Amino acid sequence: DIVMTQTPLSSPVTLGQPASISCRSSQSLVHSDGNTYLSWLQQRPGQPPRLLIYKISKRFSGVPDRFSGSGAGTDFTLKISRVEAEDVGVYYCMQATQFPWTFGQGTKVEIK
Amino acid sequence: EVQLLESGGGLVQPGGSLRLSCAATRFTFSSYAMSWVRQAPGKGLEWVSTISVSGGSTYYADSVKGRFTISRDNSKNTLYLQMSSLRAEDTAVYYCVKAHMTTVTRNAFGIWGQGTMVTVSS
Repeated sequence: DIVMTQTPLSSPVTLGQPASISCRSSQSLVHSDGNTYLSWLQQRPGQPPRLLIYKISKRFSGVPDRFSGSGAGTDFTLKISRVEAEDVGVYYCMQATQFPWTFGQGTKVEIK
Repeated sequence: EVQLLESGGGLVQPGGSLRLSCAATRFTFSSYAMSWVRQAPGKGLEWVSTISVSGGSTYYADSVKGRFTISRDNSKNTLYLQMSSLRAEDTAVYYCVKAHMTTVTRNAFGIWGQGTMVTVSS
């Protein structure tokens, strides 16, 4: 199974400041079809998760452009350019390149 | 707006069975792969199972293989998860999830339902 490792596990940030979350996979997420099935999800308190980013860097419909994804192979990053109060929650990376699909442990973003 | 409404959760004894349903509305259900993802209380997300658009291909996490069965009825726009031989470690909120892109199975999790709680306890 592909293990997804996120760092940090907790990220206290100041409103208006940037935040960054790293996700590393135990093996390359490049599929034989040439795509990399790495996505990022946000889970606000008491809510179901929602998709932010798919295929490394493509923003899902309605996602603010302060969210961006980057990376390749085994190393990926989610960046929030300026954290807003509504960004508080837990962020997960997830791979769908190989079954079983797996998630990172989650990174909790909170306001300082 | 796309909607996914899960039902069927509840309290069940260890070794028991339960069937979850997910009613889908406001999108062409038969064009999207569907999945179940669960979240134990206070824990992270765990992929459980995925089914292709036709239902002809199904995939399972090792933790539920042989005990859970995913299925779909495209005429009723409904996804199912039949769970048997339930264990305490199956206790979780179960989310029904719609794939982001049409047709293909390998996909991001586009839209999530609100979830239904399953508690396995004597």
